[in-house]
Amino acid sequence: QQQVRQSPQSLTVWEGGTTVLTCSYEDSTFNYFPWYQQFPGEGPALLISILSVSDKKEDGRFTTFFNKREKKLSLHIIDSQPGDSATYFCAASNTNTGKLTFGDGTVLTVKP
Amino acid sequence: EAAVTQSPRNKVAVTGGKVTLSCNQTNNHNNMYWYRQDTGHGLRLIHYSYGAGSTEKGDIPDGYKASRPSQENFSLILELATPSQTSVYFCASGDPTGGGEQYFGPGTRLTVL
Repeated sequence: QQQVRQSPQSLTVWEGGTTVLTCSYEDSTFNYFPWYQQFPGEGPALLISILSVSDKKEDGRFTTFFNKREKKLSLHIIDSQPGDSATYFCAASNTNTGKLTFGDGTVLTVKP
Repeated sequence: EAAVTQSPRNKVAVTGGKVTLSCNQTNNHNNMYWYRQDTGHGLRLIHYSYGAGSTEKGDIPDGYKASRPSQENFSLILELATPSQTSVYFCASGDPTGGGEQYFGPGTRLTVL
């Protein structure tokens, strides 16, 4: 049973558009939800994260939303740029253990 | 300066051979992790450690051992490598008390022939 589900698997948007990625999770003890960005040949890099006590966190063009009741989260990228083209992973953990469970990722392509 | 480094970056091994992947971190984090990443999948946790001398099994530990001889170093050991272990391996360090962030190395691409 996959504990973190991510959609879509791939997504193409035009430059300047808004990207929306979504995740759902099963384990109600998860309380920390990071999003990672990965470029080819590199390790994942933390993009933005949110704790379960919050429902929204913003960092520049990137915003993550969290819905505890529905066990869902999303990542919104406004004014998407070709440089945003990468694979994005959502993940979840309980901060007591620090063990992250990852979704399968979304390959984002931003076309100029 | 990269805070999590891995060596080697690429490795070709033969079936049945022993492979050791090394990871070093300068973040002074207590926790370190080993993941594998296969095409079309997210990262899956193999082993992790809460500090020097400790190792814990992750979600997919079969066929792997881990060693944490010091705060800075964490190794992943494949005693008898198999082609199914061909993958990209990532090491990470983190401090749960700091919010849960993990910082990843650049990865090791392992091919087992």
